Amino acid sequence: EVQLVESGGGLVKPGGSLRLSCAASGFTFSTYSMNWVRQAPGKGLEWVSSISSTSDYIYYADSMEGRFTISRDNAKNSLYLQMNSLRAEDTAVYYCASETVGGYWGQGTLVTVSS
Amino acid sequence: DIVMTQSPDSLAVSLGERATINCKSSQSVLYGSNNKNYLAWYQQKPGQPPKLLIYWASTRKSGVPDRFSGSGSGTDFTLTISSLQAEDVAVYYCHQHYSFPTFGQGTKVDLK
Repeated sequence: EVQLVESGGGLVKPGGSLRLSCAASGFTFSTYSMNWVRQAPGKGLEWVSSISSTSDYIYYADSMEGRFTISRDNAKNSLYLQMNSLRAEDTAVYYCASETVGGYWGQGTLVTVSS
Repeated sequence: DIVMTQSPDSLAVSLGERATINCKSSQSVLYGSNNKNYLAWYQQKPGQPPKLLIYWASTRKSGVPDRFSGSGSGTDFTLTISSLQAEDVAVYYCHQHYSFPTFGQGTKVDLK
């Protein structure tokens, strides 16, 4: 059974940092590009960042560039998102997701940025 | 960025009736070298992650009921639910991965 399990969310003050993790199992993680996608409360889906299977290619949405860093460890079947300089508008559920055709999504982890 | 625009924003359909959701991209998502449209459809129910229904614009993911179908090419796409069931009440999103990924704003499907 395919599983993507996010962790690391929580309440953080504006300007603070968090590191999200995503543990993958049930599929060959090392062969898939991976994404982080977020969803603010009551809002739609917003792509955050992508990383290729071997980490050669990394992309960010404009509003995250310079503040967020995506990485992966294929030996540990894990995906990460380091988030710095967090803002109130970064409050959202953050999903770990495989490349689109794979269709694998985690349940998400809630990040709340508030003083 | 490619902007994805869905219509309508919401619709109410009777059980067993057809539901049609449209999605228009601001530029073509058809990749010429493989003739594939980099367009997917997702279903999202409250408190759950999105579930992939359709990819390559018209390929149904394994396990998805055949009442769900996708069509279109280039910039105009449609998701059709041929006979709406109660469990189909959800928000539906189109999604392009031709370039930096973007999503439509979502279409809420309710029972009439």
